[in-house]
Amino acid sequence: GENVEQHPSTLSVQEGDSAVIKCTYSDSASNYFPWYKQELGKGPQLIIDIRSNVGEKKDQRIAVTLNKTAKHFSLHITETQPEDSAVYFCAREDSNYQLIWGAGTKLIIKP
Amino acid sequence: KAGVTQTPRYLIKTRGQQVTLSCSPISGHRSVSWYQQTPGQGLQFLFEYFSETQRNKGNFPGRFSGRQFSNSRSEMNVSTLELGDSALYLCASRVQEIDGYTFGSGTRLTVV
Repeated sequence: GENVEQHPSTLSVQEGDSAVIKCTYSDSASNYFPWYKQELGKGPQLIIDIRSNVGEKKDQRIAVTLNKTAKHFSLHITETQPEDSAVYFCAREDSNYQLIWGAGTKLIIKP
Repeated sequence: KAGVTQTPRYLIKTRGQQVTLSCSPISGHRSVSWYQQTPGQGLQFLFEYFSETQRNKGNFPGRFSGRQFSNSRSEMNVSTLELGDSALYLCASRVQEIDGYTFGSGTRLTVV
Protein backbone atom coordinates (compact mmCIF):
# COMPACT_ATOMS: atom_id res chain seq x y z
CA GLY A 1 0.00 0.00 0.00
CA GLU A 2 0.97 3.63 0.29
CA ASN A 3 1.90 3.56 3.97
CA VAL A 4 5.36 4.12 5.37
CA GLU A 5 6.49 1.63 8.00
CA GLN A 6 8.77 3.11 10.64
CA HIS A 7 10.82 1.18 13.22
CA PRO A 8 11.40 1.11 16.08
CA SER A 9 8.52 2.94 17.77
CA THR A 10 10.75 3.70 20.77
CA LEU A 11 14.53 3.84 20.88
CA SER A 12 16.60 4.36 24.00
CA VAL A 13 20.34 4.97 23.60
CA GLN A 14 23.15 6.06 25.89
CA GLU A 15 24.34 9.62 25.42
CA GLY A 16 27.23 9.61 22.99
CA ASP A 17 26.11 6.47 21.19
CA SER A 18 24.53 6.32 17.73
CA ALA A 19 20.85 5.98 16.91
CA VAL A 20 19.36 4.51 13.74
CA ILE A 21 15.72 4.70 12.65
CA LYS A 22 14.51 2.85 9.58
CA CYS A 23 11.55 3.35 7.26
CA THR A 24 10.25 1.19 4.45
CA TYR A 25 7.76 1.96 1.70
CA SER A 26 6.22 0.19 -1.27
CA ASP A 27 5.49 2.91 -3.86
CA SER A 28 8.48 2.92 -6.20
CA ALA A 29 7.37 6.26 -7.66
CA SER A 30 8.41 8.13 -4.50
CA ASN A 31 11.35 10.47 -5.04
CA TYR A 32 11.53 12.65 -1.94
CA PHE A 33 12.09 11.44 1.61
CA PRO A 34 12.23 13.96 4.48
CA TRP A 35 12.84 13.42 8.18
CA TYR A 36 11.20 15.57 10.82
CA LYS A 37 11.92 16.02 14.52
CA GLN A 38 9.08 16.95 16.86
CA GLU A 39 9.77 18.21 20.37
CA LEU A 40 7.13 18.42 23.04
CA GLY A 41 4.69 21.25 22.41
CA LYS A 42 6.08 22.07 19.01
CA GLY A 43 5.35 21.25 15.41
CA PRO A 44 7.57 18.93 13.38
CA GLN A 45 10.83 20.44 12.18
CA LEU A 46 12.55 19.34 8.98
CA ILE A 47 16.03 18.09 9.92
CA ILE A 48 17.24 16.42 6.73
CA ASP A 49 15.84 15.18 3.45
CA ILE A 50 16.99 13.16 0.48
CA ARG A 51 15.91 12.82 -3.11
CA SER A 52 16.00 9.59 -5.08
CA ASN A 53 19.00 10.51 -7.20
CA VAL A 54 21.23 10.42 -4.11
CA GLY A 55 22.13 7.48 -1.89
CA GLU A 56 23.33 9.33 1.18
CA LYS A 57 23.29 12.82 2.64
CA LYS A 58 25.02 14.16 5.74
CA ASP A 59 24.61 17.24 7.88
CA GLN A 60 27.00 17.28 10.84
CA ARG A 61 25.84 14.49 13.21
CA ILE A 62 22.84 13.55 11.11
CA ALA A 63 22.80 11.41 7.97
CA VAL A 64 20.15 9.80 5.83
CA THR A 65 20.67 6.81 3.55
CA LEU A 66 18.32 5.69 0.80
CA ASN A 67 18.11 2.32 -0.91
CA LYS A 68 15.60 2.70 -3.73
CA THR A 69 15.92 -0.89 -4.85
CA ALA A 70 15.05 -2.22 -1.41
CA LYS A 71 12.63 0.67 -0.78
CA HIS A 72 13.98 1.71 2.57
CA PHE A 73 15.65 4.77 4.03
CA SER A 74 17.26 5.38 7.39
CA LEU A 75 18.16 8.20 9.72
CA HIS A 76 21.50 8.00 11.51
CA ILE A 77 22.36 10.23 14.46
CA THR A 78 25.90 9.97 15.80
CA GLU A 79 27.29 11.16 19.14
CA THR A 80 23.78 11.59 20.53
CA GLN A 81 23.12 14.42 22.95
CA PRO A 82 20.26 15.09 25.41
CA GLU A 83 18.73 17.63 23.03
CA ASP A 84 18.28 14.86 20.45
CA SER A 85 15.48 13.44 22.62
CA ALA A 86 12.28 13.89 20.60
CA VAL A 87 9.89 12.07 18.29
CA TYR A 88 11.26 11.54 14.78
CA PHE A 89 9.05 11.07 11.73
CA CYS A 90 10.00 9.81 8.31
CA ALA A 91 7.86 10.53 5.27
CA ARG A 92 7.72 9.98 1.55
CA GLU A 93 6.22 12.27 -1.05
CA ASP A 94 3.45 10.85 -3.21
CA SER A 95 2.61 11.69 -6.82
CA ASN A 96 0.50 14.66 -5.66
CA TYR A 97 3.48 16.10 -3.77
CA GLN A 98 1.83 15.24 -0.45
CA LEU A 99 3.68 13.60 2.40
CA ILE A 100 2.81 10.13 3.62
CA TRP A 101 4.11 9.84 7.17
CA GLY A 102 5.57 7.08 9.29
CA ALA A 103 4.10 6.54 12.75
CA GLY A 104 7.06 8.12 14.52
CA THR A 105 9.94 6.99 16.74
CA LYS A 106 10.36 8.27 20.26
CA LEU A 107 14.09 8.69 20.81
CA ILE A 108 15.25 8.73 24.42
CA ILE A 109 18.83 9.73 25.23
CA LYS A 110 19.95 8.31 28.57
CA PRO A 111 22.52 10.41 30.47
CA LYS B 1 12.32 35.77 9.73
CA ALA B 2 9.00 34.94 11.37
CA GLY B 3 7.91 31.31 11.30
CA VAL B 4 4.49 29.83 10.71
CA THR B 5 2.05 31.29 13.21
CA GLN B 6 -1.03 29.45 14.35
CA THR B 7 -3.78 30.88 16.52
CA PRO B 8 -5.10 30.11 18.99
CA ARG B 9 -2.65 27.69 20.67
CA TYR B 10 -5.32 26.03 22.77
CA LEU B 11 -9.05 25.72 22.35
CA ILE B 12 -11.81 23.94 24.25
CA LYS B 13 -15.13 23.49 22.50
CA THR B 14 -18.34 21.64 23.21
CA ARG B 15 -19.58 18.81 21.02
CA GLY B 16 -21.80 20.16 18.25
CA GLN B 17 -20.12 23.57 18.09
CA GLN B 18 -17.99 24.78 15.23
CA VAL B 19 -14.43 26.14 15.33
CA THR B 20 -12.13 28.19 13.10
CA LEU B 21 -8.36 27.93 13.28
CA SER B 22 -5.97 30.39 11.73
CA CYS B 23 -2.55 30.06 10.12
CA SER B 24 -0.15 32.72 8.89
CA PRO B 25 2.56 31.20 6.69
CA ILE B 26 6.12 32.36 6.27
CA SER B 27 6.29 35.42 4.06
CA GLY B 28 6.66 34.34 0.45
CA HIS B 29 5.24 30.87 1.03
CA ARG B 30 2.20 30.40 -1.15
CA SER B 31 1.38 26.80 -0.21
CA VAL B 32 -0.35 26.07 3.08
CA SER B 33 -1.25 22.59 4.27
CA TRP B 34 -3.20 21.42 7.29
CA TYR B 35 -2.63 18.23 9.26
CA GLN B 36 -4.40 16.55 12.13
CA GLN B 37 -2.18 14.82 14.68
CA THR B 38 -3.52 12.33 17.20
CA PRO B 39 -1.73 9.67 19.28
CA GLY B 40 -3.67 6.88 17.58
CA GLN B 41 -3.64 8.01 13.93
CA GLY B 42 -0.43 9.99 13.76
CA LEU B 43 -0.15 12.79 11.21
CA GLN B 44 -2.99 12.87 8.73
CA PHE B 45 -3.27 15.25 5.80
CA LEU B 46 -6.38 17.43 5.71
CA PHE B 47 -5.89 19.72 2.71
CA GLU B 48 -3.48 21.97 0.87
CA TYR B 49 -4.07 25.42 -0.55
CA PHE B 50 -1.97 27.20 -3.13
CA SER B 51 -2.75 30.71 -4.34
CA GLU B 52 -6.23 30.59 -2.78
CA THR B 53 -7.16 27.29 -4.46
CA GLN B 54 -7.53 23.95 -2.74
CA ARG B 55 -5.05 21.74 -4.51
CA ASN B 56 -5.37 18.50 -2.56
CA LYS B 57 -7.69 17.05 0.02
CA GLY B 58 -7.28 14.18 2.46
CA ASN B 59 -9.85 11.64 3.58
CA PHE B 60 -11.80 13.71 6.05
CA PRO B 61 -15.56 14.34 6.16
CA GLY B 62 -17.09 17.48 4.73
CA ARG B 63 -17.31 18.97 8.24
CA PHE B 64 -13.66 19.89 7.73
CA SER B 65 -13.14 22.80 5.37
CA GLY B 66 -10.61 25.48 4.72
CA ARG B 67 -9.74 28.50 2.70
CA GLN B 68 -6.80 30.66 1.80
CA PHE B 69 -6.76 34.41 1.41
CA SER B 70 -4.89 36.55 -1.09
CA ASN B 71 -2.13 37.22 1.46
CA SER B 72 -1.65 33.40 1.78
CA ARG B 73 -3.09 33.30 5.30
CA SER B 74 -5.31 30.28 5.77
CA GLU B 75 -8.15 29.22 7.99
CA MET B 76 -9.66 25.83 8.62
CA ASN B 77 -13.13 25.26 9.96
CA VAL B 78 -14.65 22.25 11.64
CA SER B 79 -18.41 22.20 12.02
CA THR B 80 -20.57 20.04 14.30
CA LEU B 81 -17.62 19.06 16.44
CA GLU B 82 -17.32 15.49 17.66
CA LEU B 83 -15.28 14.15 20.57
CA GLY B 84 -13.00 12.42 18.07
CA ASP B 85 -12.00 15.77 16.59
CA SER B 86 -9.86 16.43 19.65
CA ALA B 87 -6.35 16.67 18.26
CA LEU B 88 -3.39 18.88 17.51
CA TYR B 89 -4.02 20.72 14.25
CA LEU B 90 -0.84 21.65 12.44
CA CYS B 91 -0.37 24.12 9.65
CA ALA B 92 2.66 23.95 7.37
CA SER B 93 3.82 26.23 4.61
CA ARG B 94 6.29 25.96 1.75
CA VAL B 95 7.31 28.03 -1.21
CA GLN B 96 6.19 25.49 -3.77
CA GLU B 97 5.45 21.81 -3.99
CA ILE B 98 9.03 20.61 -4.41
CA ASP B 99 10.15 22.23 -1.18
CA GLY B 100 10.15 21.00 2.40
CA TYR B 101 7.50 22.11 4.85
CA THR B 102 7.86 24.51 7.77
CA PHE B 103 5.35 23.73 10.48
CA GLY B 104 3.72 25.95 13.05
CA SER B 105 3.40 24.88 16.68
CA GLY B 106 -0.18 23.84 16.20
CA THR B 107 -3.56 24.45 17.79
CA ARG B 108 -4.55 21.97 20.48
CA LEU B 109 -8.31 21.44 20.15
CA THR B 110 -10.19 19.66 22.91
CA VAL B 111 -13.84 18.77 22.35
CA VAL B 112 -15.84 18.05 25.50
